[in-house]
Amino acid sequence: AAGVIQSPRHLIKEKRETATLKCYPIPRHDTVYWYQQGPGQDPQFLISFYEKMQSDKGSIPDRFSAQQFSDYHSELNMSSLELGDSALYFCASGRVAYNEQFFGPGTRLTVL
Amino acid sequence: GQQLNQSPQSMFIQEGEDVSMNCTSSSIFNTWLWYKQDPGEGPVLLIALYKAGELTSNGRLTAQFGITRKDSFLNISASIPSDVGIYFCAGLSTSGTYKYIFGTGTRLKVLA
Repeated sequence: AAGVIQSPRHLIKEKRETATLKCYPIPRHDTVYWYQQGPGQDPQFLISFYEKMQSDKGSIPDRFSAQQFSDYHSELNMSSLELGDSALYFCASGRVAYNEQFFGPGTRLTVL
Repeated sequence: GQQLNQSPQSMFIQEGEDVSMNCTSSSIFNTWLWYKQDPGEGPVLLIALYKAGELTSNGRLTAQFGITRKDSFLNISASIPSDVGIYFCAGLSTSGTYKYIFGTGTRLKVLA
């Protein structure tokens, strides 16, 4: 079965640089979620999209932005990176009608 | 805001033993999801619960949606070494937005 695809899987950036993370949801899923997970922490909700429209916002810094495109893939843009942004970033997708959520393998971002 | 208390935080058990963990909240949830996460990987959906009182099994796993809709538990029977990992509960918020609240995780270690 198809799963959520994330790229890149690993990313190393310098402070103050910009990063773009990509997410390709499971086909026919109408909702995409982004999470940030620090070491030893539970996933923290950043932002979600339903049918390409932003549906909810969590603890997403103003330096971050995200969008979902016409082909349903989503991108998380992170600017002015800080050391504290180093974390695992997960994308998840699901169908609202089924109250489900499936995670991708994550992108490990390291900010030096 | 809505919070989930997950317990225990960590468990060390012998192979073959049964395991029980739970999530509680002061808020009501419409859906409970249980995930297992291996280090550096994305959470994998184990069981989804949609109705108060619902009891669902997936192999050696059994989960229940509490009658009050404020709690859920996960049982693992006859644990094996590959059950090692972090288990998260996630509740679907009823606060007017469509997002999941995560528990703090239960770290399970199985001693052979």
